[in-house]
Amino acid sequence: AQKVTQAQTEISVVEKEDVTLDCVYETRDTTYYLFWYKQPPSGELVFLIRRNSFDEQNEISGRYSWNFQKSTSSFNFTITASQVVDSAVYFCALSEGGTGANSKLTFGKGITLSVRP
Amino acid sequence: SAVISQKPSRDICQRGTSLTIQCQVDSQVTMMFWYRQQPGQSLTLIATANQGSEATYESGFVIDKFPISRPNLTFSTLTVSNMSPEDSSIYLCSVGQGLSGYTFGSGTRLTVV
Repeated sequence: AQKVTQAQTEISVVEKEDVTLDCVYETRDTTYYLFWYKQPPSGELVFLIRRNSFDEQNEISGRYSWNFQKSTSSFNFTITASQVVDSAVYFCALSEGGTGANSKLTFGKGITLSVRP
Repeated sequence: SAVISQKPSRDICQRGTSLTIQCQVDSQVTMMFWYRQQPGQSLTLIATANQGSEATYESGFVIDKFPISRPNLTFSTLTVSNMSPEDSSIYLCSVGQGLSGYTFGSGTRLTVV
């Protein structure tokens, strides 16, 4: 069965610090997709990234970067020079098989990030 | 990416009553997913709804409690039946968008009193 573990529950940093959010996953499938979502206090879920199991390249998008390592079953998310607007709950999620659009998502418990001015 | 309109955005209901939540997608999609997010918790899948077939429920969720309709490729409803305070949660619908991940509705915040 698929499982996502986000061991960190709450992280508090001061603005401009870098912060890494950890995600470890379990799956028996060779084809799977990993996701990160942001849930700000307003409650909506904001899609950040999708990564398939065959693409281990790291990705950078502005202040955000992701490190995917199949050897350790991890998909970690780093925010560089954090800002107050980054304060939110961040979820890592996994879907098995399919096309990454027609399979259920299994979510981790989420990490609450607080960025203090 | 698809836009999902979810209604109502919030409601306060009496125990023992039922609430129907609607999701309208601005494009045709094969599968729609319904999730529950209990207060301070993560998201848990309730069921997967395919047009033209019975919804598939996850362990711990049953059709009598959470009946789902999927009359066409752009619309679905989830009913929370015979509600109790334990049903107080955020309910979200979702559709897959390929490279854009899964898009979620804005959620329905349900409080049962």
